[in-house]
Amino acid sequence: RKEVEQDPGPFNVPEGATVAFNCTYSNSASQSFFWYRQDCRKEPKLLMSVYSSGNEDGRFTAQLNRASQYISLLIRDSKLSDSATYLCVVNRAGNMLTFGGGTRLMVKP
Amino acid sequence: NAGVMQNPRHLVRRRGQEARLRCSPMKGHSHVYWYRQLPEEGLKFMVYLQKENIIDESGMPKERFSAEFPKEGPSILRIQQVVRGDSAAYFCASSPGQHYSGNTIYFGEGSWLTVV
Repeated sequence: RKEVEQDPGPFNVPEGATVAFNCTYSNSASQSFFWYRQDCRKEPKLLMSVYSSGNEDGRFTAQLNRASQYISLLIRDSKLSDSATYLCVVNRAGNMLTFGGGTRLMVKP
Repeated sequence: NAGVMQNPRHLVRRRGQEARLRCSPMKGHSHVYWYRQLPEEGLKFMVYLQKENIIDESGMPKERFSAEFPKEGPSILRIQQVVRGDSAAYFCASSPGQHYSGNTIYFGEGSWLTVV
């Protein structure tokens, strides 16, 4: 079983739609959680950290459920420029980042 | 302040040749990480280095792969006798301190290796 699991998609949504991605992680010792965005043939870029209390950054909302070992990302009012692959990332103390395989989002006009 | 610089951006090698990928961390960063991304997959950790030291190489293949971060100059990821399965994007990242202590990690634009 992969340490970080994501639905690869693609998720095809119209502009303006709300879309949610989920991610599960297997190691309960994981301490830090992130969503990264990766455009085609580009490096991953930090989108937002994820906190237990949930956090919001503009149209993006991230949630963490430690009991279920589950992380989510909600994108409201999707824009064409949101089209990318979204990577769920976890970090155990003393260890490196562990990336999920990514979920691909395609926002259509 | 320049970001993490990787070169070459694209590299084509024939099977059996050597590939050398270079990474200059952000100014002031002394911690370097290499990740590999195979086609249609997520990034996989390979190795973590500080100047002149390998801290964690748990993700490195046992053979043909080596990494260094000398006192002077960039970090180098070396792949000997490349095979088609080595074709991937290799990302370097750097941080000012140990990433797991909360410092942000910054990625370079990647080096795309194609083995023909």
